[in-house]
Amino acid sequence: DAGVTQSPTHLIKTRGQQVTLRCSPKSGHDTVSWYQQALGQGPQFIFQYYEEEERQRGNFPDRFSGHQFPNYSSELNVNALLLGDSALYLCASRVGDQPQHFGDGTRLSIL
Amino acid sequence: KQEVTQIPAALSVPEGENLVLNCSFTDSAIYNLQWFRQDPGKGLTSLLLIQSSQREQTSGRLNASLDKSSGRSTLYIAASQPGDSATYLCAADNYGQNFVFGPGTRLSVLP
Repeated sequence: DAGVTQSPTHLIKTRGQQVTLRCSPKSGHDTVSWYQQALGQGPQFIFQYYEEEERQRGNFPDRFSGHQFPNYSSELNVNALLLGDSALYLCASRVGDQPQHFGDGTRLSIL
Repeated sequence: KQEVTQIPAALSVPEGENLVLNCSFTDSAIYNLQWFRQDPGKGLTSLLLIQSSQREQTSGRLNASLDKSSGRSTLYIAASQPGDSATYLCAADNYGQNFVFGPGTRLSVLP
C-alpha cells in the first residue's frame, strides 16, 4: 500500500518563475493538505482540499494556489517565485478524523 | 489563533538516558495532538496521536501524554538510542482541518 507520494523530490527555479508540485494521497484518503517548511522551522499550513474544493487556507498570498482532481490527487502552484519561497513543501492526506500521513516533500530552491 | 511552542529547542544526551520533550499550545479546543519525527531533509513520520478524549498513548519506548486544560503535551522517550536522533515536532489538530506545528526539538543521542 503506497503512502503519500510527492513529485518532484527536488526543484530549482529562478525568481519570477512559476512552479507546480504534485501529490498523490495514500490509498483511501480523500483530503489533502499542503504545508511549507522553511529551514529550521515547523511546517506552516498553506491550504486543504476536500471534494475538489479548497476547504481552508492559511496565511499565504494568492500566489499560492492549488487544485484537487477527482482521483483525490492534488497540485500546488506558486507564481512569481520569491527567494523566500525556498522551502520543503509537504503534502499530507487523511480520511475523516484519522491521522494525517505525510509525504517526503519537495525541496524547492529559488535562485 | 492557535500557537504551539516546544522546549527545549535542542537536546543532547548520552545513550541510554530517559528524556522528556515538551509541547505547549494556547487553544485547548483541539481535536487531537500528534507527535512526529523528522530526519534531516526528510518528510514527517507519525509517532503517536492522542485524541482529545485521551490522556496518553504508548508505542514501544515512546509515551505521549496530553493535558488539554493546561495546554500541554509531553513525549517521553525511554532508554534513548543513537537512532532516535532527529527533530521531534508536535502538532495541534484544529478539528480535523489543519495542523498547527511547533518549531520542533532537535535531539542528539550520543553513543
